[in-house]
Amino acid sequence: DGGITQSPKYLFRKEGQNVTLSCEQNLNHDAMYWYRQDPGQGLRLIYYSQIVNDFQKGDIAEGYSVSREKKESFPLTVTSAQKNPTAFYLCASMEQGMPSNQPQHFGDGTRLSIL
Amino acid sequence: GNSVTQMEGPVTLSEEAFLTINCTYTATGYPSLFWYVQYPGEGLQLLLKATKADDKGSNKGFEATYRKETTSFHLEKGSVQVSDSAVYFCALNTGGFKTIFGAGTRLFVKA
Repeated sequence: DGGITQSPKYLFRKEGQNVTLSCEQNLNHDAMYWYRQDPGQGLRLIYYSQIVNDFQKGDIAEGYSVSREKKESFPLTVTSAQKNPTAFYLCASMEQGMPSNQPQHFGDGTRLSIL
Repeated sequence: GNSVTQMEGPVTLSEEAFLTINCTYTATGYPSLFWYVQYPGEGLQLLLKATKADDKGSNKGFEATYRKETTSFHLEKGSVQVSDSAVYFCALNTGGFKTIFGAGTRLFVKA
C-alpha cells in the first residue's frame, strides 16, 4: 500500500542538540510538507517542497531546516535554535497537476519531547 | 487573505445524536473544500471533499455541502458513534500548493 512513513514515532531531545525527523513517501507525489501541531491547536506550516532540490519556508520556519535530495524523502531537522520544540510533527504530501482539488496525505506523526 | 473558521470545541454528544460542526471560509476565487479527521495519536485522514459550489461531499455517513452564497462547508452526521470521537479539521485550497486548515474541532461521543 502507498503511504507516508514517519519515524521515529517518539523522539527525545536534549538541550543544545539537533534532531532529525524522517519522512518517506511512496505515492510518487512531488509536493511534501512539514507541519507542527501543539496540544489543542491546529496545524502550522514549517516548510514545504514542490520539487526535488527546492523548498520554501512556511509560517514558522525559524529553528528548523529541511532538505529534498530525493523525491521520496523530506527530512526535517529541529535545531538547537528552536527553543520550544516539544510538539507533534506531521509530514504530508500532495499530488501535483491539479493541486486545487487534491487532498494532502499525512503520516502518523512524530512526537518530540525535551529531556 | 484566505482563512478557515471552525466552531470551537469540544463538542460532546451522546451516541446516535445528530452532529453539526460549522465551518466558514474566506477565499479569493473558487477554492476546493475539505474535511479531515484525526484520531488520537495519528495523522490527518481525508474524510470528504467538494470542489465546486453546491457539491456535496460524503463518506462514512458524514456529509458537507459547498455553499458559496454563505461561504460555508458545515459537516453533518445523522447518528454519531463512539468511534467518531476525534478532531475534525476543515480546510481549503485555492489552487496553489498550500492548504489552509482550520483550528480543528474536538468531538467526544458518549456511550
